[in-house]
Amino acid sequence: EAGVTQFPSHSVIEKGQTVTLRCDPISGHDNLYWYRRVMGKEIKFLLHFVKESKQDESGMPNNRFLAERTGGTYSTLKVQPAELEDSGVYFCASSPFRGRTGNTIYFGEGSWLTVV
Amino acid sequence: GQQVMQIPQYQHVQEGEDFTTYCNSSTTLSNIQWYKQRPGGHPVFLIQLVKSGEVKKQKRLTFQFGEAKKNSSLHITATQTTDVGTYFCAGTATNKLIFGTGTRLQVFP
Repeated sequence: EAGVTQFPSHSVIEKGQTVTLRCDPISGHDNLYWYRRVMGKEIKFLLHFVKESKQDESGMPNNRFLAERTGGTYSTLKVQPAELEDSGVYFCASSPFRGRTGNTIYFGEGSWLTVV
Repeated sequence: GQQVMQIPQYQHVQEGEDFTTYCNSSTTLSNIQWYKQRPGGHPVFLIQLVKSGEVKKQKRLTFQFGEAKKNSSLHITATQTTDVGTYFCAGTATNKLIFGTGTRLQVFP
């Protein structure tokens, strides 16, 4: 079974440009999460989808970040325009059961974003 | 908002020494999970604890969930160089997994 896949694995963009990160969760997983880890800091929650609906987007830093999950399958996270402080690793994760707390969350390998 | 703190932030040990990281939440958790992230890698699930006072063991790793379900610990006995990485606790409250600040472990041979 394929794990959570993310694309691109690495991206270097200039300040002011736009970047779109994509996540394909494990097939059949209703829950999809985005997390971010900036250099040396903790892994911070960004948002949570249940199927195509945003369950919780309280961790989104500002309106330069836009997440979508079309048809409840893959998800995209767009940063527009990118700022230097957006640099970090963006992790996507998925878990299988809708509405249940405490399920194992499976992480992708991350999209490493560098804004210069 | 909910916070999950871990101490220490860094720990350097000699191979064969023991290591412990502690995790404290500002709110009561429904469960706690532990993850390991190797340098340059992604978080990998280690274990989940659900019950108050629960203790689980995985070979040299011992995990404990506090009675009040607000704190947890991970203890590694006789560390090996393969234990190098950052260990994160992550607590679930209000259906959201909040990660701790992480403890980076370095093991010298």
